[in-house]
Amino acid sequence: KQEVTQIPAALSVPEGENLVLNCSFTDSAIYNLQWFRQDPGKGLTSLLLIQSSQREQTSGRLNASLDKSSGRSTLYIAASQPGDSATYLCAVGDTGFQKLVFGTGTRLLVSP
Amino acid sequence: NAGVTQTPKFQVLKTGQSMTLQCAQDMNHEYMSWYRQDPGMGLRLIHYSVGAGITDQGEVPNGYNVSRSTTEDFPLRLLSAAPSQTSVYFCASASLEADTQYFGPGTRLTVL
Repeated sequence: KQEVTQIPAALSVPEGENLVLNCSFTDSAIYNLQWFRQDPGKGLTSLLLIQSSQREQTSGRLNASLDKSSGRSTLYIAASQPGDSATYLCAVGDTGFQKLVFGTGTRLLVSP
Repeated sequence: NAGVTQTPKFQVLKTGQSMTLQCAQDMNHEYMSWYRQDPGMGLRLIHYSVGAGITDQGEVPNGYNVSRSTTEDFPLRLLSAAPSQTSVYFCASASLEADTQYFGPGTRLTVL
């Protein structure tokens, strides 16, 4: 059974710092991997999707990498801003993209 | 274009009551799914559908029923609510041609 772990569970940084969020999964036979953002009391917003054949994806200040062989993905946030404060969720597309297996998230606080 | 909508936003039930959580999307997506989110746990897949008339079970289907009579709607029915079903429920949709999933704002359900 696929298991997804996110470390750290919480992170507090001052504005302007570059930071890395980690995601690990136990079964490397994945279809894809997605990073989501969740604001308190809100739904999930997809940030980046990496197909199993890809190594990384970039969107603005965000860069996500994927290393299937080691079962790891990282989300790099450059020049963090207070507006980046949210919970970041990693989800692995297991048997086809329909079935996502989620990690428990990293709660990020960026202070001014 | 409203995206994925869910009603109600909040609901309190007594043990044994039944209810239906509504989910609708206006993006003509074939794929729709229901997840529940509990403290300290990642989102877990309850049921999903790849098109009208087609549904299948996810990781935690017990106590829930679904049907998909139209492309737009995917209601989740609780047959006899139990305190263990206290959770936040999210509906998601995606096109079968693209892997990004779009999530609704969630329904917070409390079963007393």
